Amino acid sequence: QSVLTQPPSVSGAPGERVTLSCTGSSSNIGADYDVHWYQHLPGTAPRLLIYGYSHRPSGVPDRFSGSQSGTSASLAISGLQAEDEGDYYCQSYDSSLGNYVFGTGTKVTVL
Amino acid sequence: EVQLLESGGNLVQPGGSLRLSCAASGFIFNNFAMSWVRQVPGKGLEWVSGIGSFGGTTDYADSVKGRFAISRDDSKNILYLQMNSLRPEDTAVYYCARYPRRVPVAGSRLDYWGQGTLVTVSS
Repeated sequence: QSVLTQPPSVSGAPGERVTLSCTGSSSNIGADYDVHWYQHLPGTAPRLLIYGYSHRPSGVPDRFSGSQSGTSASLAISGLQAEDEGDYYCQSYDSSLGNYVFGTGTKVTVL
Repeated sequence: EVQLLESGGNLVQPGGSLRLSCAASGFIFNNFAMSWVRQVPGKGLEWVSGIGSFGGTTDYADSVKGRFAISRDDSKNILYLQMNSLRPEDTAVYYCARYPRRVPVAGSRLDYWGQGTLVTVSS
């Protein structure tokens, strides 16, 4: 079972803004380990979307933004588009487990 | 362009072995640490193993420790995962992914991923 909890699903109409949460604990996000976000669209390789809480790799639109507060992190998608439909995972490191950990994943649906 | 192409996935009986490969191109392979991550069908991602550049350091998830071995051939730009004593719960799509540094440190991200190869463990 994952130590990072995400809501199973989030939906929004095209053009709307949605926010995905990633809740951890004092041994991962709360211990100041970086949080990263990945987009996994059907039939494709996972793609790094946000790293170090809020940095975007080149090529990632600025519609995607990340933030962190305490033991949680968030990914916001502004101007939601049909091509954004897919699964989104947060990732960090857990000092108690001594492992890299992923969130449970959130499925984004564009209505 | 960075490309990672996994192969070797197959149907194998419980207790059997399998070796996965990941062919890398588009970057200087021996300058980067590499990783394997898996996804059980319908479930989330699970980090499996990592290896530093030149094979200097290796690490494993507890769920595979003692059964799986990660290695790399820098002359061929290939990453491997030797999987022994396979269990039904090892059934998953296995992805190879790159760390953006020579050594995987706590908090590292994975900046490029392959499309995965399916391993099915069943009798």
